[in-house]
Amino acid sequence: GAGVSQTPSNKVTEKGKYVELRCDPISGHTALYWYRQSLGQGPEFLIYFQGTGAADDSGLPNDRFFAVRPEGSVSTLKIQRTERGDSAVYLCASSADLYGSPLHFGNGTRLTVT
Amino acid sequence: GESVGLHLPTLSVQEGDNSIINCAYSNSASDYFIWYKQESGKGPQFIIDIRSNMDKRQGQRVTVLLNKTVKHLSLQIAATQPGDSAVYFCAEVPYGTALIFGKGTTLSVSS
Repeated sequence: GAGVSQTPSNKVTEKGKYVELRCDPISGHTALYWYRQSLGQGPEFLIYFQGTGAADDSGLPNDRFFAVRPEGSVSTLKIQRTERGDSAVYLCASSADLYGSPLHFGNGTRLTVT
Repeated sequence: GESVGLHLPTLSVQEGDNSIINCAYSNSASDYFIWYKQESGKGPQFIIDIRSNMDKRQGQRVTVLLNKTVKHLSLQIAATQPGDSAVYFCAEVPYGTALIFGKGTTLSVSS
């Protein structure tokens, strides 16, 4: 079946601009996660949702980052006033439930801030 | 086969050898563990998982061992193939929180 889909696969933006990254989880998965991966590093947690609500947003680095999941399926990660340090691969994952089920990842969106 | 006692960032093996990748996790409250494989330009791919009430679990050509006493996790790959070349991450899930990734190990398989 279809896996986690992320769009766009690549995004280049200028410093100070606003960007939106989209994630389509596996159908029926209630939990959705956002991670950020810098070159040569492991993925770092940003936020996760159970249904429509953010269960834990403690990984968001600052208030320029925001994520929504209004209907409990598709999620959008929003970054305001982008900075060069935001350049990374943003990974989305979904799982059948919050605890005890493996996360299935998409291939990520590579964000480059120039 | 090749193995590492402590985490090393890279591991090089010959095709057909057995590989062992080690990982130390940090949280004694973690009760679920997962190994992921990540190829260049792709997201992490689930390999195998294990719960804290087990100390060993086997899959196809892979085995995960869990030692809770020393907070150590290992991934064994039998008859390593060139297609196994990738970065491998262990991940832990402390109850009530999201998955936390450990340091990756780059496995290089030469034929």
